[in-house]
Amino acid sequence: GDSVTQMEGPVTLSEEAFLTINCTYTATGYPSLFWYVQYPGEGLQLLLKATKADDKGSNKGFEATYRKETTSFHLEKGSVQVSDSAVYFCALSDWGAQKLVFGQGTRLTINP
Amino acid sequence: EAQVTQNPRYLITVTGKKLTVTCSQNMNHEYMSWYRQDPGLGLRQIYYSMNVEVTDKGDVPEGYKVSRKEKRNFPLILESPSPNQTSLYFCASTLTGTTSSYEQYFGPGTRLTVT
Repeated sequence: GDSVTQMEGPVTLSEEAFLTINCTYTATGYPSLFWYVQYPGEGLQLLLKATKADDKGSNKGFEATYRKETTSFHLEKGSVQVSDSAVYFCALSDWGAQKLVFGQGTRLTINP
Repeated sequence: EAQVTQNPRYLITVTGKKLTVTCSQNMNHEYMSWYRQDPGLGLRQIYYSMNVEVTDKGDVPEGYKVSRKEKRNFPLILESPSPNQTSLYFCASTLTGTTSSYEQYFGPGTRLTVT
């Protein structure tokens, strides 16, 4: 079945550092890929998405590129802020599917 | 404001005592879903509903029931809760049946503890 694997956390960085959170997937069809973010005490919010190979999703300075050849969707940000501290989930949804398949989540802490 | 609401936000209960977690959305979405979040496992789907009176099992449905009598509401029912159902629960909705194209909107979560 479909699955998503994220890099193990937690991840701790200093403000203005470069961020990469790795995400790889396995899927039988042609999935759409998502990054969701969960701030403390809140539900998940969509951060960005890509629906086909080579698409780049971007939002709030975060980017991720759908790489079909490496089955990856790594999240990057050039300069993180304290307010980026949250849990990040990579997810996929196969075409016609009725659910999102989530990775295990990566907790990110940014220190001033 | 477009939102998904859940109640209660926190609940501590005892084994075997029936409980219901409510979920409501104000966006006229057809599709609603319940997930549970456990450390190291991410979110896993419990049940989903494509529309009123249409529900189906997700990946981890055992011990749960749902109903969809109105488009806006999708309650999660635990008839006889057990300690292994201690978890953080999220309700989500999206515009239409397939989850590949549209953003899912999540509620704030319900933290359930079963002793």
